[in-house]
Amino acid sequence: GAGVSQSPSNKVTEKGKDVELRCDPISGHTALYWYRQSLGQGLEFLIYFQGNSAPDKSGLPSDRFSAERTGGSVSTLTIQRTQQEDSAVYLCASSLASLAAFFGQGTRLTVV
Amino acid sequence: AQSVAQPEDQVNVAEGNPLTVKCTYSVSGNPYLFWYVQYPNRGLQFLLKYITGDNLVKGSYGFEAEFNKSQTSFHLKKPSALVSDSALYFCAVRDINFNKFYFGSGTKLNVKP
Repeated sequence: GAGVSQSPSNKVTEKGKDVELRCDPISGHTALYWYRQSLGQGLEFLIYFQGNSAPDKSGLPSDRFSAERTGGSVSTLTIQRTQQEDSAVYLCASSLASLAAFFGQGTRLTVV
Repeated sequence: AQSVAQPEDQVNVAEGNPLTVKCTYSVSGNPYLFWYVQYPNRGLQFLLKYITGDNLVKGSYGFEAEFNKSQTSFHLKKPSALVSDSALYFCAVRDINFNKFYFGSGTKLNVKP
């Protein structure tokens, strides 16, 4: 596609439920990133995929968070047993080598 | 360790005046530097990047940034601010191994008519 696509754009879930957030990167981009942004705050790194290498999971805040990237393209971020503190905007980005990362519009997650 | 600092939470400037949003970085090796802008309820939009070459980099919407290796800075500038430039600005650095991007905490730019 022309840009990074994220779905859903908004998600409201009940505390304790699992959620899946999807990211379709720009075609051909080898790197894919997930970041989290709380209201009006900076970007918190979550996880980074680069080609076929093992992902950098150093930013995942707890074992309730996991992500996978299938076929080097689409990625899914899964949050299990959601908590209210998980409420944030989840941003996905993709890039190629030394070029800039291009971001999707984000998924706004609200845990009630 | 890689890091980026944006020392100002907020910058206020009058429309038509020049603006500067500051950024300093720390990275092992040669840095790849980026500026992004975020409008309310939107994702981040790429503005400009420095990889190599001229220290003054020109980007979208009339913005430019100056790379200063000795001061490890990459300040964002615009000669004449517009009200529509009001947004949240993020500086980012990426190391030579093309690893993850490190973002600053963001600077809110307010341009008043």
